Amino acid sequence: AQSVAQPEDQVNVAEGNPLTVKCTYSVSGNPYLFWYVQYPNRGLQFLLKYITGDNLVKGSYGFEAEFNKSQTSFHLKKPSALVSDSALYFCAVRDTLAMRFGAGTRLTVKP
Amino acid sequence: DTGVSQNPRHKITKRGQNVTFRCDPISEHNRLYWYRQTLGQGPEFLTYFQNEAQLEKSRLLSDRFSAERPKGSFSTLEIQRTEQGDSAMYLCASSAGTGEHEQYFGPGTRLTVT
Repeated sequence: AQSVAQPEDQVNVAEGNPLTVKCTYSVSGNPYLFWYVQYPNRGLQFLLKYITGDNLVKGSYGFEAEFNKSQTSFHLKKPSALVSDSALYFCAVRDTLAMRFGAGTRLTVKP
Repeated sequence: DTGVSQNPRHKITKRGQNVTFRCDPISEHNRLYWYRQTLGQGPEFLTYFQNEAQLEKSRLLSDRFSAERPKGSFSTLEIQRTEQGDSAMYLCASSAGTGEHEQYFGPGTRLTVT
């Protein structure tokens, strides 16, 4: 079965600094990879996805992610973090019909 | 608002009672999914509908759980004889297709079983 792992439970960065939230995947075949963000008391919001093509994918709110096949990674990045980026981030992989999610990484951006 | 909606947002029930949740997907989406999310975990897949047909069910979906999607529009998830272990956030999502299509999530229904 397809799966993803998020090795960090918590990431802390200062406002204005670059941020990275890590994700590694394990799939058979070509992966369909996604990033979602969850704010308190709200559902998951889609940020970006990698299906095929360019390894650098750009998404909502200035986020981007880099697909690395040799390292089986799909890290989420942003050049300059905002306090409002503080939230729970989930990496996911499409497994036939369903999404398989990682356990999530809590991002805290401090002013 | 044309996103996915879920009702109720919160439900507190006593152990042994039955509960039913409703999900209204994005209108043009014919795929609908139910997930369960517990504290500190990512969402876990429960079941999937394409139009009115329930095509996949997770082993997490015990015989106390049933889901329907009459006429391929809204969906309901019923839990019978609730247990404390059923306490979780129940999320609904919809998509325009499978494979590369992203899923759009509703705000969830938080169930607390006392």
